[in-house]
Amino acid sequence: AQSVTQLGSHVSVSEGALVLLRCNYSSSVPPYLFWYVQYPNQGLQLLLKYTSAATLVKGINGFEAEFKKSETSFHLTKPSAHMSDAAEYFCAVSEGIRTYKYIFGTGTRLKVLA
Amino acid sequence: DTAVSQTPKYLVTQMGNDKSIKCEQNLGHDTMYWYKQDSKKFLKIMFSYNNKELIINETVPNRFSPKSPDKAHLNLHINSLELGDSAVYFCASSHEGRTEAFFGQGTRLTVV
Repeated sequence: AQSVTQLGSHVSVSEGALVLLRCNYSSSVPPYLFWYVQYPNQGLQLLLKYTSAATLVKGINGFEAEFKKSETSFHLTKPSAHMSDAAEYFCAVSEGIRTYKYIFGTGTRLKVLA
Repeated sequence: DTAVSQTPKYLVTQMGNDKSIKCEQNLGHDTMYWYKQDSKKFLKIMFSYNNKELIINETVPNRFSPKSPDKAHLNLHINSLELGDSAVYFCASSHEGRTEAFFGQGTRLTVV
């Protein structure tokens, strides 16, 4: 069975500092991996996705993530945090094309300090 | 042009009532989902439909009945609402051959 673990339910960074949100997955088949962002009272917006092509994936708003099969990880990074990055971030895994289920992690709330 | 739209956005109702949430997508996708987000923000899949056929039912109580009249719509009807049903319900869609799911804005259901 697939699963996703996000370490750290709350992460605080200073504005301009590096953002690192951790995600580890478990999957019996080559996974597709996603990061979504949720702003207050809104739906989920896709930040980036890994679909078995390049292991370093670039997304919107300056975010990127690296797929590391040996570590079963897909951590999200951004070199310099902005106040507008404050939100809830979710890592998700699926079994790829023709998937009918996305498994989400428990989320990480990012707080950006001025 | 909202890709995945849900109505209503907010729903407050009393225990025991029956309510419905509607979802429509204009992306041409063939797979639609209902997710429940609890007060701790945990997202759990409830149902998924592919080409109007139920594919996944994640041990959801029988009080919840999804209906997909066509590939663009997936509605959720809830009978005999309970306090524990209070949550945010998200509709989503995706397409075979593509990979990511697109989410609606959510319906915040409050049962009092």
